[in-house]
Amino acid sequence: NAGVTQTPKFRVLKTGQSMTLLCAQDMNHEYMYWYRQDPGMGLRLIHYSVGEGTTAKGEVPDGYNVSRLKKQNFLLGLESAAPSQTSVYFCASSRPTGKNENTEAFFGQGTRLTVV
Amino acid sequence: GENVEQHPSTLSVQEGDSAVIKCTYSDSASNYFPWYKQELGKRPQLIIDIRSNVGEKKDQRIAVTLNKTAKHFSLHITETQPEDSAVYFCAASRRGNKLVFGAGTILRVKS
Repeated sequence: NAGVTQTPKFRVLKTGQSMTLLCAQDMNHEYMYWYRQDPGMGLRLIHYSVGEGTTAKGEVPDGYNVSRLKKQNFLLGLESAAPSQTSVYFCASSRPTGKNENTEAFFGQGTRLTVV
Repeated sequence: GENVEQHPSTLSVQEGDSAVIKCTYSDSASNYFPWYKQELGKRPQLIIDIRSNVGEKKDQRIAVTLNKTAKHFSLHITETQPEDSAVYFCAASRRGNKLVFGAGTILRVKS
């Protein structure tokens, strides 16, 4: 099992460019998340999904869009990149219990994005 | 929505001493509280978690305590070792909902 895989690992964008980050998991997990990590600010939730075809906003959703067309994939899009979106992005997935309670989240290796 | 606060932001201890990191949460419906460790340049990994029907959980040198009334939970690391140096994150989640993290604690264990 590969676990959670993020593509790409590194990217440099110019202001105004667009891109899509791909997260793929092979653990048949229902829940998937996108976080950004900035120094001193921890892991801030951008968007999340509790199942195929569903998405919801997290703490810092502005400037990002997501899609969960397939259960195993969660895409994060930046329509018009800004320098404030320079960050390390982590995807994670987890499987809820039978009572729909959360369990261990498994993280991808991260994507380091720089917007110049 | 849920808000998780974590203290301290940095913590330095001497090897062999204990380390305690504290978190508070705002949503009284939260019932799952994991702790993650992130080594430099790596992804966060779960080290221990606790559910709201339990007050304390222990795994070797690591323990977590939960006070539902006060809405706070703590990570305790005993007999710290240099390899415990990392960033530690607490998180909280309610049933069927998002996982919200604290801002993290940088733990340095001095040998």
